[in-house]
Amino acid sequence: DTGVSQNPRHKITKRGQNVTFRCDPISEHNRLYWYRQTLGQGPEFLTYFQNEAQLEKSRLLSDRFSAERPKGSFSTLEIQRTEQGDSAMYLCASSASGTGLGYTFGSGTRLTVV
Amino acid sequence: DAKTTQPNSMESNEEEPVHLPCNHSTISGTDYIHWYRQLPSQGPEYVIHGLTSNVNNRMASLAIAEDRKSSTLILHRATLRDAAVYYCILRDPNPNNNDMRFGAGTRLTVKP
Repeated sequence: DTGVSQNPRHKITKRGQNVTFRCDPISEHNRLYWYRQTLGQGPEFLTYFQNEAQLEKSRLLSDRFSAERPKGSFSTLEIQRTEQGDSAMYLCASSASGTGLGYTFGSGTRLTVV
Repeated sequence: DAKTTQPNSMESNEEEPVHLPCNHSTISGTDYIHWYRQLPSQGPEYVIHGLTSNVNNRMASLAIAEDRKSSTLILHRATLRDAAVYYCILRDPNPNNNDMRFGAGTRLTVKP
């Protein structure tokens, strides 16, 4: 297993466009998390899935944001009508529930909205 | 929510020990203390965790105060590759809880 994979690594988009990011977790991990990180800050929790069910969403996740995890495997995070304030690093992590073990993070997707 | 307090930044010289402090005065009796670090252009990575006793692994040591209101991450010999942001996080022992919440962490600079 190559760990948590995120694509693309970088995305530049014009304000108002829609973007979609993909996360492939560690295959045996049933939990998947999305975080957002802006410069100089720690990662902020956005949402998480257990298998295909989205169990929690942060207030940071406005209605322009939607996340899916079909079949409990990979996940996508879509941002509609992007705004300059959406520019950030979007991090994905996975873990195995019930083990108390830590999270494994991907390298993130850096979004720049111009 | 239990919170942690860390210095914004610290500096160290290469090959010297580094002690990264974390205050968590509102820790509950069952919270675990976790440390993660984030290298430049990477996602955070797990470093170490503990409950009451000091812990050692290949990456670092974790010293926990007797009253558990503070802890210290110890890098025994800092290398340039240890330059990163280090996060101290309190976690509920229920493994099904989603409680990984990051503060701003401590940015460690290692000077050659």
